[in-house]
Amino acid sequence: AQKVTQAQTEISVVEKEDVTLDCVYETRDTTYYLFWYKQPPSGELVFLIRRNSFDEQNEISGRYSWNFQKSTSSFNFTITASQVVDSAVYFCALSEALTLGNQFYFGTGTSLTVIP
Amino acid sequence: EAGVAQSPRYKIIEKRQSVAFWCNPISGHATLYWYQQILGQGPKLLIQFQNNGVVDDSQLPKDRFSAERLKGVDSTLKIQPAKLEDSAVYLCASSLISVADSPSSYNSPLHFGNGTRLTVT
Repeated sequence: AQKVTQAQTEISVVEKEDVTLDCVYETRDTTYYLFWYKQPPSGELVFLIRRNSFDEQNEISGRYSWNFQKSTSSFNFTITASQVVDSAVYFCALSEALTLGNQFYFGTGTSLTVIP
Repeated sequence: EAGVAQSPRYKIIEKRQSVAFWCNPISGHATLYWYQQILGQGPKLLIQFQNNGVVDDSQLPKDRFSAERLKGVDSTLKIQPAKLEDSAVYLCASSLISVADSPSSYNSPLHFGNGTRLTVT
């Protein structure tokens, strides 16, 4: 079974629009961690944010914000006032604390294109 | 700090040939991972090392793939012989976590290299 689901394969928005990337996860662990990574055309996966399962506070960092809801097993990512540089593939990932050695499960990614 | 280093950046080989990829993790990172990322998909874990020991290689096709991290620092991933379906980007990542750490340290993020893009023709 897929542990991390990113239902949106591709999204296109016009510059300055807001966009939300969805992530739904599945785990039986009570302690786990969620992450978002950005993969620009250069190919390197860049770490954006991590969240632990005990902290449901939403977080804002500049134009980025994250909405973590345990009740729906979702960890959505919103970019406000999108810019062309935001164009990339975004991956949501889950790390379960009971899994030895911090194994990560990645979603299939959402390709975001910001049109100038 | 220096990031995760990988080489080569690109490699083109014919099927049935052999190829090797190299990775040097961030200094001090105990855990090293090799991921395979096929175009349009998320990274798939091939093997995970903790220092020089293997933590998880359940998804490594052992009939053709091998990896080692002999001194617990840099690592080599080899494919022999390569198949067309091995065409992918091979990503190396490292993290601070140690198996001796408490569960609270399982939040260590992975730091990725630029990857090696392999094309098998």
